[in-house]
Amino acid sequence: DAGVIQSPRHEVTEMGQEVTLRCKPISGHNSLFWYRQTMMRGLELLIYFNNNVPIDDSGMPEDRFSAKMPNASFSTLKIQPSEPRDSAVYFCASSASGGGYGYTFGSGTRLTVV
Amino acid sequence: GQQVMQIPQYQHVQEGEDFTTYCNSSTTLSNIQWYKQRPGGHPVFLIQLVKSGEVKKQKRLTFQFGEAKKNSSLHITATQTTDVGTYFCALSKAAGNKLTFGGGTRVLVKP
Repeated sequence: DAGVIQSPRHEVTEMGQEVTLRCKPISGHNSLFWYRQTMMRGLELLIYFNNNVPIDDSGMPEDRFSAKMPNASFSTLKIQPSEPRDSAVYFCASSASGGGYGYTFGSGTRLTVV
Repeated sequence: GQQVMQIPQYQHVQEGEDFTTYCNSSTTLSNIQWYKQRPGGHPVFLIQLVKSGEVKKQKRLTFQFGEAKKNSSLHITATQTTDVGTYFCALSKAAGNKLTFGGGTRVLVKP
């Protein structure tokens, strides 16, 4: 298995532009999580899905952020419009039911908004 | 919501020495997980602890869950340069639910 696949690895965009981050979870994993990591705030959970259904989006900073999971093998996190304070590393992770094997993280997307 | 405190934030360790990082919660936990993130990398799952007082070992790493299930520790013996990274504890209420991560302990090893 190739693991959790995220794209792009790096994204540099101008303030006000739309940014879309993509994630392909491990096949068979039924939970998917989007995290954001910064030096100041550490690892923050933005939103998570169980069986493609959003369960908790209380971590989404504001309405500029949205996430979708149209099927079991794909999810997107969109920021529109982007702001410099959105600069961070965004991780996608997936897990199987039971969770005893932990969460598998993707390599992340390093977003820089200038 | 549940919060977890990790101490210390930073640990400078001489190669060959031992060190311990601690994770403390204000509430009783159902389980706790530990992750390692190398510089520039992503968090990698190390282990999950479920039972009160549980102790698990992975080579030079020893993980312990407190009797009251409110704290946990990670002890590394004979530190090597490959141990460099940030170690996170993370807690969840149940399988499939969200993980709340501690602030991490960043470990630097002096050769």
